[in-house]
Amino acid sequence: EAEVAQSPRYKITEKSQAVAFWCDPISGHATLYWYRQILGQGPELLVQFQDESVVDDSQLPKDRFSAERLKGVDSTLKIQPAELGDSAMYLCASSFLRTRAYEQFFGPGTRLTVL
Amino acid sequence: QQQVKQSPQSLIVQKGGISIINCAYENTAFDYFPWYQQFPGKGPALLIAIRPDVSEKKEGRFTISFNKSAKQFSLHIMDSQPGDSATYFCAASLISSNTGKLIFGQGTTLQVKP
Repeated sequence: EAEVAQSPRYKITEKSQAVAFWCDPISGHATLYWYRQILGQGPELLVQFQDESVVDDSQLPKDRFSAERLKGVDSTLKIQPAELGDSAMYLCASSFLRTRAYEQFFGPGTRLTVL
Repeated sequence: QQQVKQSPQSLIVQKGGISIINCAYENTAFDYFPWYQQFPGKGPALLIAIRPDVSEKKEGRFTISFNKSAKQFSLHIMDSQPGDSATYFCAASLISSNTGKLIFGQGTTLQVKP
């Protein structure tokens, strides 16, 4: 069964350092999402790609976060510099049909701890 | 207006009982309401979804009840099993928008006792 792949699964870093997360969506899924999930809360969308184009980055803290999906397949989310408040689970998801965008397939996430 | 409010925060149910989780929304433009299930260490997975022109949808032991006038919807888990123990998120989506983004509720942690 096809799955969304993410790496690393866990990342511990010190504040002011740079971190990067990688996501490989399910093959053929044109839409890719990055979410941040703080412990005890629901996922919050950071950025959404349609193929290689950003369609929503309204909640992305652009002074420190960046995301790219250069060839419209896999994607990288970067934080530079990391802050203590960035500690969270970072989830990647993908979807296939525009008319079923509510059906998103999530990866296992990257748990980030900033010390 | 973009929020989805979910309750309760946590729920303990005996095996065989009914689990009920409630959500409320404000934005009447939302056009799909999915529920996601998340196990520890895993990403959320779609459980069931409903459109606002449908009052109820059932899939196996899982049922969504939708009250459009009250802007509320709920998930009922019948004959709850220990394997149902997980965190459940309601969500709302604007499929008709350019993004179709999901707005998630805060989550409900369900524990089903054997």
